[in-house]
Amino acid sequence: DGGITQSPKYLFRKEGQNVTLSCEQNLNHDAMYWYRQDPGQGLRLIYYSQIVNDFQKGDIAEGYSVSREKKESFPLTVTSAQKNPTAFYLCASSSRTGDRGAEAFFGQGTRLTVV
Amino acid sequence: AQKVTQAQTEISVVEKEDVTLDCVYETRDTTYYLFWYKQPPSGELVFLIRRNSFDEQNEISGRYSWNFQKSTSSFNFTITASQVVDSAVYFCALSEETNYGQNFVFGPGTRLSVLP
Repeated sequence: DGGITQSPKYLFRKEGQNVTLSCEQNLNHDAMYWYRQDPGQGLRLIYYSQIVNDFQKGDIAEGYSVSREKKESFPLTVTSAQKNPTAFYLCASSSRTGDRGAEAFFGQGTRLTVV
Repeated sequence: AQKVTQAQTEISVVEKEDVTLDCVYETRDTTYYLFWYKQPPSGELVFLIRRNSFDEQNEISGRYSWNFQKSTSSFNFTITASQVVDSAVYFCALSEETNYGQNFVFGPGTRLSVLP
């Protein structure tokens, strides 16, 4: 089945550690996105990428890094510089080909907790 | 700047009641797209509808209907005869064209609880 797969579903990080969240899509979408969701709040954009080997910072990129070496993969690293990383992280993708208003498709999310 | 407001933080209704979720947006673009997503307890956002700025026709899909009014910059969502399975957080979103490409701006969401 086509879709977006995020792993792991739950992740625990010790203070000072870097962790990487995986996001893979088999929808052949060009654009991919990472959002952060805090309890009771909406989604805030961390990073997004429109093509391979290129990406842009979103509204809250500090303390995060990404790579886009393959079209289907867009991993997010939460670095030790991110002061408050406990949150729910959502990965999304959308097709840009011929449809400027394409909707975003989302993965199941990763819940990251600092212990 | 683009902005989406969902003034209702939480709504509770009893099963079979109708409920309307409000969405007001701000944009400088003349062409734009609006979306509604449902987030059930599992966490994944589920796409419900897309509407472009040139199409002001209301849309109905089963128990769901959407009312788009450019004059008031609103894109409201009504669930008729609500069911317990409708309990979720609902997000309204606006597409934003940047120099880099398309982005999505989300509202804060409305948590809907449908009680049996």
